[in-house]
Amino acid sequence: AQSVTQLDSHVSVSEGTPVLLRCNYSSSYSPSLFWYVQHPNKGLQLLLKYTSAATLVKGINGFEAEFKKSETSFHLTKPSAHMSDAAEYFCVVTGQETGNQFYFGTGTSLTVIP
Amino acid sequence: ETGVTQTPRHLVMGMTNKKSLKCEQHLGHNAMYWYKQSAKKPLELMFVYNFKEQTENNSVPSRFSPECPNSSHLFLHLHTLQPEDSALYLCASSPGDREYYEQYFGPGTRLTVT
Repeated sequence: AQSVTQLDSHVSVSEGTPVLLRCNYSSSYSPSLFWYVQHPNKGLQLLLKYTSAATLVKGINGFEAEFKKSETSFHLTKPSAHMSDAAEYFCVVTGQETGNQFYFGTGTSLTVIP
Repeated sequence: ETGVTQTPRHLVMGMTNKKSLKCEQHLGHNAMYWYKQSAKKPLELMFVYNFKEQTENNSVPSRFSPECPNSSHLFLHLHTLQPEDSALYLCASSPGDREYYEQYFGPGTRLTVT
C-alpha cells in the first residue's frame, strides 16, 4: 500500500541557514508526490510536485525537492531559510494504489530562529 | 473572489444543532474534496466528488452529509455531532481526480462542538 512518512515532527533552523525536511514514501507503482505548506490559520498551499518527469523539482519561494527512487525519498530543501518559512509542511503521495487519493504525512513543523 | 473559499471560517455548535459548511471554487475545476484536520493526526479524506458525482466516502459517520449541487459548490451538512468532531474542515478542488493533479485548498472552517 502507498504511504508517506515524514521523519521529523519538528525542525528548527537559524535564519539564513539551509532547510531540510525529510519524507520517505512507500509505493509499488510510480507515485506522484507533493509538498504543501500550511501557515497558521490558513489552508494548504502547494509548494511543488513530482509526477514522473524531472527528478529535481523546483517550487515556489526557493524550495526544491529531489525524487530518489532508490531511496524512496522526496526530501524538501531550501538553501537559506527566511522567517516567513516558519509553518507546517506536509508531504503527500498519490497514485494508482491509493485510487488517486491524496495520502498525507503527519507534518513537519518548521521553526526559524532569528 | 479567487481560488477556493469556505464559509464560515469559525463555527461553534452544540451536539444537537444542525449546521452546514459551504465551499466554493472559482477555478473551473471538476473535482472537489472534504478533509478533516485534527491535531497531531494526518489529514483525513472524507468525501470526493468528481463532476458532481460522489466517488469516495471514506467510512464517514452519517452525521456528516455532503452535497454537491454543481462543480463549483460543495456543502457539508452537520447534525448531532460529537465533541471529537471538533477539527479544521478543509475543502479542496482539482481539475479532475487523476493522480497528477494538484489540489487547491480553501482556508478551512474551524469547528468546535460543545
